[in-house]
Amino acid sequence: RKEVEQDPGPFNVPEGATVAFNCTYSNSASQSFFWYRQDCRKEPKLLMSVYSSGNEDGRFTAQLNRASQYISLLIRDSKLSDSATYLCVVKNAGGGNKLTFGTGTQLKVEL
Amino acid sequence: GAVVSQHPSWVICKSGTSVKIECRSLDFQATTMFWYRQFPKQSLMLMATSNEGSKATYEQGVEKDKFLINHASLTLSTLTVTSAHPEDSSFYICSARVTGTAKNIQYFGAGTRLSVL
Repeated sequence: RKEVEQDPGPFNVPEGATVAFNCTYSNSASQSFFWYRQDCRKEPKLLMSVYSSGNEDGRFTAQLNRASQYISLLIRDSKLSDSATYLCVVKNAGGGNKLTFGTGTQLKVEL
Repeated sequence: GAVVSQHPSWVICKSGTSVKIECRSLDFQATTMFWYRQFPKQSLMLMATSNEGSKATYEQGVEKDKFLINHASLTLSTLTVTSAHPEDSSFYICSARVTGTAKNIQYFGAGTRLSVL
């Protein structure tokens, strides 16, 4: 089983739609959680950290369910510019600040 | 946000040659940098953790003699792919953690696309 699992997609949605991605992680000792965005042939960029209480940043809402070991990302009012691959990233307990990446979920927002 | 510069962005080389990739933190000091590799449609896989002034820590399955890492200063880490072969063709990305932050945020370089002929 992969440490971090995501549905690869692609998710094709019309502009203005609401779309949600889920991610599950296998290590119950995982400490920190993030969503990164990666455009084609580019480096990943931090979208937002994910906190236990849930957090929102504009059109983006992230939630964490530690009991079920899953993380979600909700995008409201999708824009064409939201088209990218969204990576679920987990930092496990222990030193080194090593991040474990999911394979990513591809989103395509269409007119 | 913090800026990490990675160079070159694209390199094509013949099989058997060595390729050096540089990763620089431009506006902050990074005691720790990370080197990742990403094959098409796959996730980023950590290759090694580079610590300033000491030997790098390699992940299981990564050959340290093939992927030489040097982190001689707080702003520069280099990855040298020695005797590159076509199977080494991949997207190599470095990242740096901002020293002293509790947020565990890593900033990524723009990546180096390596094609070995």
